[in-house]
Parts: sequence; structure tokens; C-alpha cells
Amino acid sequence: DAGVTQSPTHLIKTRGQHVTLRCSPISGHKSVSWYQQVLGQGPQFIFQYYEKEERGRGNFPDRFSARQFPNYSSELNVNALLLGDSALYLCASSLGGKVGNTIYFGEGSWLTVV
Amino acid sequence: AQTVTQSQPEMSVQEAETVTLSCTYDTSESDYYLFWYKQPPSRQMILVIRQEAYKQQNATENRFSVNFQKAAKSFSLKISDSQLGDAAMYFCAYRSTGGTSYGKLTFGQGTILTVHP
Repeated sequence: DAGVTQSPTHLIKTRGQHVTLRCSPISGHKSVSWYQQVLGQGPQFIFQYYEKEERGRGNFPDRFSARQFPNYSSELNVNALLLGDSALYLCASSLGGKVGNTIYFGEGSWLTVV
Repeated sequence: AQTVTQSQPEMSVQEAETVTLSCTYDTSESDYYLFWYKQPPSRQMILVIRQEAYKQQNATENRFSVNFQKAAKSFSLKISDSQLGDAAMYFCAYRSTGGTSYGKLTFGQGTILTVHP
């Protein structure tokens, strides 16, 4: 079975532009979370969605938004990109509904803002 | 808010030897989960081991085991018989059981593990 898949794997954007990152969870998983990992640091929680509803939001500005689709895939959108948004963006999925369910991560999308 | 601290930015070990990575956390909750994740150069986060706070028995997965000290809020990872493939960044992570944000993991800063042949 396929794991968590993310696209694109690498991208370069210019300051002020907008970016959309995509994530497909493991088949059967209904919960998707997004994390930002700046080089040399641990991942920081951005959003969690379960059954197409936002269930949690980290300490990120309103330039960051996300949504989950009926097939449980998800998009992370970032507007008005800043140099500091350069990072690895990780998507994670789990069955959802129970806090004990294991969380599985994708390989991430590398975003470079120039 | 919960915090996770890994005080060892880097550790090294000889192949076949044992190494222990440290992690402390701060929380006011009584029930929670703790994890160790491995992140190799490929950057994919791989679950190594998990511990449920209400279980007193330390978790073990093959060569990986933890020392969970709930009162001290300490959660260390022991890797026995270290292998070259164990070289990676290791993250300690906390997951609350409260609220509805089941997907939120709080990570430490990470420890880079080097394995020498």
C-alpha cells in the first residue's frame, strides 16, 4: 500500500508569491496534519484536519491556510511568501478518531523562497 | 502548553555499541503519549518507538528501548548493538490525549546520531 504522498517534492518561489502543497493520506486514513520544519529544528505543528474539518491550528499567521477534500487529501496554502517560510513541509496522516492511532509522515515538500 | 527538550544536539557511537539519547518534557497532563522518531537524510520521519503514559512498563522494539520516568518527566531512548543504518536525526515527541487535536505532535529540537564503523 502507498504511504503518505506529497507533491511537489521541491519548489522555488519568489517573495510575495503564493504556494499550494498537496498531500494524499494513506488509504483509509481520515486525519491529515501539516508541519513546518526549518533546517536544523524540530517540526512545528501547523494544522490538523479530520473528516474535512479543522481540528487544530498551530501558532502560524493567517497567510497559512489548509483544507481537506472529500477523498481526505489535503492542501496547504501559503500566501505572500516570506524568506522565513523556506522550510520542509511535512504532511502526516492517521486513521483519526482515536488519539492513540499512529501518525505516519510523508517525505515532505521542500520550499525555497528567494 | 507542552514543551519537549533534547539537551544533546549531537551524539556518536561505535558500531555494535550502545547509546542513550535524552529527552525531557513539561506537561500538566496525566495521560499522554511519547514517541521517538528517526529522520534520515531522506527527511522522512519514521516512528521508532512509542510509550503510553499510563503504562508503567517501558516500551521495547527490537534493539530500541526507552526509559520512561513519569515523575521526572524523562523519556530516554537506548539503542543497543548500534548499526550504521541507525545514523540519523532523532526527535522526541509528545502527543496530548486531551482536546480534539489528535494529530498534534510537539517535537524536541532533535539529536544528530553518528555511528562510527
